[in-house]
Amino acid sequence: DVKVTQSSRYLVKRTGEKVFLECVQDMDHENMFWYRQDPGLGLRLIYFSYDVKMKEKGDIPEGYSVSREKKERFSLILESASTNQTSMYLCASMSRTIPGANVLTFGAGSRLTVL
Amino acid sequence: GENVGLHLPTLSVQEGDNSIINCAYSNSASDYFIWYKQESGKGPQFIIDIRSNMDKRQGQRVTVLLNKTVKHLSLQIAATQPGDSAVYFCAENGDSSYKLIFGSGTRLLVRP
Repeated sequence: DVKVTQSSRYLVKRTGEKVFLECVQDMDHENMFWYRQDPGLGLRLIYFSYDVKMKEKGDIPEGYSVSREKKERFSLILESASTNQTSMYLCASMSRTIPGANVLTFGAGSRLTVL
Repeated sequence: GENVGLHLPTLSVQEGDNSIINCAYSNSASDYFIWYKQESGKGPQFIIDIRSNMDKRQGQRVTVLLNKTVKHLSLQIAATQPGDSAVYFCAENGDSSYKLIFGSGTRLLVRP
């Protein structure tokens, strides 16, 4: 069974802390994504990566950075966490082999609370 | 997520009835659409997809209808079961080859 695994399901951090959210996929997918999900706002794209060491900003990149050193791993970094970054974070991956068929496979999510 | 449904429109149906969940999409350039299901505490899961050269596609107990004239998408679930209770999202590809635009979701509650 193919999987996207997010290492932390629940995190509680303090304002100003550096936060790492890790994501690993075992499907050999080229594309990986980080979304945040907030009540009533749906899923909003933070960053995505289409290859190792490649990244592009999504719709709400401010306050975040990412790292893709290996194909299977995509990390989301909050350099200095703020309370408005309290949210559910979802990692996803997608194969590039079917043009136009953008089926994302999601992880279970990481719920971050910033105090 | 656990509280993703706090501010969502909610559809409540009786077990065994059919459910219809609607979605208005935004981008005329979209030619690929997906429905996702998100159960509490889990990430979204793929249900069914449809390309713009079709207006209907059927899966197991689910049917997606696409009306490009009014930019409307619907998901029909036949004989709704308690396990169908979840938040349902539609998504469109816009003018991107690898990004999706998600709707805000609809919560489906199935009454026993």
